[in-house]
Amino acid sequence: NAGVTQTPKFRILKIGQSMTLQCTQDMNHNYMYWYRQDPGMGLKLIYYSVGAGITDKGEVPNGYNVSRSTTEDFPLRLELAAPSQTSVYFCASSRTPPEQYFGPGTRLTVT
Amino acid sequence: AQSVTQPDIHITVSEGASLELRCNYSYGATPYLFWYVQSPGQGLQLLLKYFSGDTLVQGIKGFEAEFKRSQSSFNLRKPSVHWSDAAEYFCAVGLSGGYNKLIFGAGTRLAVHP
Repeated sequence: NAGVTQTPKFRILKIGQSMTLQCTQDMNHNYMYWYRQDPGMGLKLIYYSVGAGITDKGEVPNGYNVSRSTTEDFPLRLELAAPSQTSVYFCASSRTPPEQYFGPGTRLTVT
Repeated sequence: AQSVTQPDIHITVSEGASLELRCNYSYGATPYLFWYVQSPGQGLQLLLKYFSGDTLVQGIKGFEAEFKRSQSSFNLRKPSVHWSDAAEYFCAVGLSGGYNKLIFGAGTRLAVHP
């Protein structure tokens, strides 16, 4: 099992550009989550999904979009990147919430 | 509102010394409790969890944590720290109902001196 994988590991974006952060899990977990981690702030939930075709907003969804067409994949879309979106992004999955398993993260810089 | 507080932002200990990382939570019911560790440049790894039952739980890498309901605390301990334990440690509370979200503390960064 690879667990939760994320690509890319690092990315630099210019203001106004868009990109998709990829997240895949091979554990057949129904629940998937996207978090952002800012220094000294812990992790904040952006979006979550309880199964294919079902997504909902977390605490900090503005500026992001998600889709869940399969159980395995949960991509996070950034439209019109802003410096405030500079952060480390973590994807997680769960079979039995609230216990979650995390990917290695994507470090994003917007300049 | 639910919250998790980790009072210590940074802690430095000597290798071989004991360690206790503090975690306090605010929640109306008994929550699910977790400790995660994040090594530099890595994702979060689950150290241990408490759902119910024995209030002293054992985890990986020689860590343990004790749930104290009266103090709303879930402190992480290790009797003898190794240099490889240097990392950031996050306490998290899992809320029942809805999508069972996790609320994280701000983290405690541990440095280990040789």
